[in-house]
Amino acid sequence: QKEVEQDPGPLSVPEGAIVSLNCTYSNSAFQYFMWYRQYSRKGPELLMYTYSSGNKEDGRFTAQVDKSSKYISLFIRDSQPSDSATYLCASRRSGGGADGLTFGKGTHLIIQP
Amino acid sequence: DTGVSQDPRHKITKRGQNVTFRCDPISEHNRLYWYRQTLGQGPEFLTYFQNEAQLEKSRLLSDRFSAERPKGSFSTLEIQRTEQGDSAMYLCASSSMQGHEQYFGPGTRLTVT
Repeated sequence: QKEVEQDPGPLSVPEGAIVSLNCTYSNSAFQYFMWYRQYSRKGPELLMYTYSSGNKEDGRFTAQVDKSSKYISLFIRDSQPSDSATYLCASRRSGGGADGLTFGKGTHLIIQP
Repeated sequence: DTGVSQDPRHKITKRGQNVTFRCDPISEHNRLYWYRQTLGQGPEFLTYFQNEAQLEKSRLLSDRFSAERPKGSFSTLEIQRTEQGDSAMYLCASSSMQGHEQYFGPGTRLTVT
């Protein structure tokens, strides 16, 4: 079992819909959670970063972390065709030193005009 | 802030040849990371530098792989005696000492024929 699990999709929704993207993780030591957006053949772009449980909102994007169920979510409101990309969730442990991120496989999202 | 840059963007090499990639992090970032991403997968952590010190290496980093960051600025990743299984996108990321967010470069796509 991978430490971070993510449905690869594809997930296809009409323009303007609310998109819900999800990940689960198994490592209880994970404290930091990120969402990245990756367009084809490009590097990942950081969208959201949260620490521990709770919600964080930035424009059309909302990230949620529920540590009790080890569940990570990203919501996209008023979805646009330009949101079509692969969305990667990532986690890392707490601690004084920096660790590499552990990524899910990514969910391929398609927003239909 | 010009972001993380990587060179070359694409590299095609024959099996058995050596290749070297370069990463220039965001200028004030002390921490630098290398990841590898294959098709349909999320990035996988390879190694991490804090300034010029290489502090962590994944078991994915075989003896044929070596990374350096001699002056604590740019970094190089060398793969010796390349194999077809080395074909992947090699991503570099950087972060500040205080921050937990990692910012990625555009990647170097390696094809081993």
